[in-house]
Amino acid sequence: DAEITQSPRHKITETGRQVTLACHQTWNHNNMFWYRQDLGHGLRLIHYSYGVHDTNKGEVSDGYSVSRSNTEDLPLTLESAASSQTSVYFCASSEPGQGTDTQYFGPGTRLTVL
Amino acid sequence: EDQVTQSPEALRLQEGESSSLNCSYTVSGLRGLFWYRQDPGKGPEFLFTLYSAGEEKEKERLKATLTKKESFLHITAPKPEDSATYLCAALQLNDYKLSFGAGTTVTVRA
Repeated sequence: DAEITQSPRHKITETGRQVTLACHQTWNHNNMFWYRQDLGHGLRLIHYSYGVHDTNKGEVSDGYSVSRSNTEDLPLTLESAASSQTSVYFCASSEPGQGTDTQYFGPGTRLTVL
Repeated sequence: EDQVTQSPEALRLQEGESSSLNCSYTVSGLRGLFWYRQDPGKGPEFLFTLYSAGEEKEKERLKATLTKKESFLHITAPKPEDSATYLCAALQLNDYKLSFGAGTTVTVRA
């Protein structure tokens, strides 16, 4: 069955370190998204991609970057981790043009920055 | 600016006590209104998409409805397994990004 996976599921790091969160989908979807979820804020969009080599900033992109070298993967990099980036991160994907544009989510990565 | 607001923030129900969750939205051209269920420690799980005012969709004890300014998620005779956070999100015309509300956390006591 097609799915979307994230790794690691839990990560503890120190302030100032570079961290990369992986997202892999086997739906063959063109669209991929990264969100963070914090209490009281709901899901906020960090970066998104509408295809290979395409990347765009979301509403909370400062301190994060993404690159899309193939259809299946959209890794999220925290250039220099800060305590404010402690959060739960979700990856999602969707396929445009199929009438629903439904986004399907991964299981999440809980990141703690000490 | 697109906005999606959900109310109430939390809802505590007795098993069998029906209720409704509200999602109000202000987007410049709605293409679709999505409902998701999220269990603790998991990613959001897709429930419904509504595309036009007057549309309704049902799944077991859940029914979602849409008007021009808001959507409702009705929970009929809930069971403890319906306890979760319910998220709504709006999809704007000519875009693929979702704008999410903060969610309503529903707790159903046996």
